[in-house]
Amino acid sequence: QAQLQESGPGLVTPSQTLSLTCSLSGASISSGSFYWNWIRQSAGKGLEWIGRIHTTGNTNYNPSLKSRATVSIDTSKNHFSLRLTSVTATDTAVYYCARGLEWFDHWGQGTLVTVSS
Amino acid sequence: DIQMTQSPSSLSASVGDRVTITCRASQNINIYLNWYQQKPGKAPKLLIYTSSSLQSGVPSRFSGRGSGTDFTLSISSLQPEDFATYFCQQSFSTPDTFGGGTKVDIK
Repeated sequence: QAQLQESGPGLVTPSQTLSLTCSLSGASISSGSFYWNWIRQSAGKGLEWIGRIHTTGNTNYNPSLKSRATVSIDTSKNHFSLRLTSVTATDTAVYYCARGLEWFDHWGQGTLVTVSS
Repeated sequence: DIQMTQSPSSLSASVGDRVTITCRASQNINIYLNWYQQKPGKAPKLLIYTSSSLQSGVPSRFSGRGSGTDFTLSISSLQPEDFATYFCQQSFSTPDTFGGGTKVDIK
């Protein structure tokens, strides 16, 4: 059974870059034809899809993030990552990684990231 | 972006009740509508995909229907473990968008 686990700093300074990693266990990230996603949840905006990557490297992003987000994948380490630049307090949220294209059938447990000085 | 509107935003119900939650899309999304259940401190869990397909392992008391702009999630006989928040999500067009959620609590 595939399991996802987010990791990264819980506190990021305003204007800096948020970096998170999602590690997959119980399966190979390069097997099958899956997309790997980042989704966040905040009290203010609810659930917000950030972006996704396929094992081929194809990516899609939410235009609302104005090109601040980058999703990458490292098949040798069986993980994928999120970088979000120029963060502000409105980027404070629980960040989830999830598998899927048309629906999300596996989710990580989520990690809280707070943007504050 | 496609806006997803859920109603009601919250409801109170008793064990054994039939519960129906509605999700409306701001434009036609065919059947590209999914439902999730979320409990406090946990990630969302997929219940229904493409409007009416039951995810493996999800009890049959959960059902979904609809197409176009109007969709419903029904729970035929509410169980204690069903008290949670439910979200819809459209995958018809990027960016994927979610409804604001419906919290189901105990009457």
